[in-house]
Amino acid sequence: EVQLVESGGGLVEPGGSLRLSCAASGFSFSSYSLNWVRQAPGKGLEWVSSISSSGNNTYFADSVKGRFIISRDNTKNSLYLQMNSLRVEDTAVYYCAKWDLIVAGSDVWGQGTLVTVSS
Amino acid sequence: AIQMTQSPSSLSASVGDRVTITCRASQAIRKDLGWYQQKPGKAPQLLIYGASSLESGVSSRFSGSGSGTDFTLTISSLQPEDFATYYCLHDHNYPVAFGQGTKVEIK
Repeated sequence: EVQLVESGGGLVEPGGSLRLSCAASGFSFSSYSLNWVRQAPGKGLEWVSSISSSGNNTYFADSVKGRFIISRDNTKNSLYLQMNSLRVEDTAVYYCAKWDLIVAGSDVWGQGTLVTVSS
Repeated sequence: AIQMTQSPSSLSASVGDRVTITCRASQAIRKDLGWYQQKPGKAPQLLIYGASSLESGVSSRFSGSGSGTDFTLTISSLQPEDFATYYCLHDHNYPVAFGQGTKVEIK
């Protein structure tokens, strides 16, 4: 079964750090770019970051640039998001996702992990 | 950065109605667009890829059209399970971007 499973969410104080993980299974992990998308409570979807299949290229939304780091370990079929200098406005459900909008059947999302930034 | 403007932000419709949602890109994105459905507490699910291709397993009452800057998602005959929020997504280049979402509610 093709699957993405996030972990690592939780409650953190403003200014703190958190590392999210996403474990993949059922597909050729090292062949695909991967993404983090977040959704604040009651709000829409917001793209956060992407990483190329090799990990050599990374991309970030302006809202997290300089604070978040995306990485992957293709030997462990795992994706990561290191979140530093967290702000209240980073509170959201974070999804890891794989998509390829030119190929059928390539879309996979995890169930999401909740990050709450609050004092 | 390419901005995606989605409209309407919400709509009320009845079972059996034909529903149309639009997304406009601030720059031409060829057909590099997908449409997602999201239900409360669930991850989004892809309905349409490549602007007009139906994702595997998705009902044929969903269809997409458009290219360049203007795109449309149509639900031909709204069913009870279609009440949800819909988003467009472009991946033409980075930063990729979602539309603001359209909540489809029961009239």
